[in-house]
Amino acid sequence: EAEVAQSPRYKITEKSQAVAFWCDPISGHATLYWYRQILGQGPELLVQFQDESVVDDSQLPKDRFSAERLKGVDSTLKIQPAELGDSAMYLCASSQERRNEKLFFGSGTQLSVL
Amino acid sequence: AQTVTQSQPEMSVQEAETVTLSCTYDTSESDYYLFWYKQPPSRQMILVIRQEAYKQQNATENRFSVNFQKAAKSFSLKISDSQLGDAAMYFCAYRSLNAGNNRKLIWGLGTSLAVNP
Repeated sequence: EAEVAQSPRYKITEKSQAVAFWCDPISGHATLYWYRQILGQGPELLVQFQDESVVDDSQLPKDRFSAERLKGVDSTLKIQPAELGDSAMYLCASSQERRNEKLFFGSGTQLSVL
Repeated sequence: AQTVTQSQPEMSVQEAETVTLSCTYDTSESDYYLFWYKQPPSRQMILVIRQEAYKQQNATENRFSVNFQKAAKSFSLKISDSQLGDAAMYFCAYRSLNAGNNRKLIWGLGTSLAVNP
């Protein structure tokens, strides 16, 4: 079965450094999501793409976070500068745009900011 | 705005027994999806079961079934013949079909399920 690919699996960085995460959705999935999940909590949507366009980034801390999906396929989420409070799991998910869509999640990137 | 409530932060069950995880939600919409996702220690989010609000029949997937009570806005998950591999965090989620909401997925806080041998 096709999977959502994410890399790296783990990332350790120091405060004030820049970090980037990559996601490759399932082929043909028009919608791509980036979620942040703090341990013990549910996922929080950071940004949602429809093809290459952002349709929801209301919860994205835009002063330090940026996301792009230039060709409407893979996507990059960047944090600059990283802060201690950014330590979390960053999950990417994708879905087809049809009524019975469901989200397929990648394995996530675990970020630790020291 | 829609909300999802999971009132049981932690649950435990004996192997081979049955356990029910509760979920309630609040919405003014009539058409939507409800999901149960499982997140094991690996942290990968896995879809367990999905229910379409316009369908009265409760969804089932092997040992997993739901009790969907639309009027009561309740969506509980029953796990039969529990196995050690069922130990995980379980999230209930609501998905609006309203394009104006970008079909946002609203998550509960999760229920941590332990399976005792």
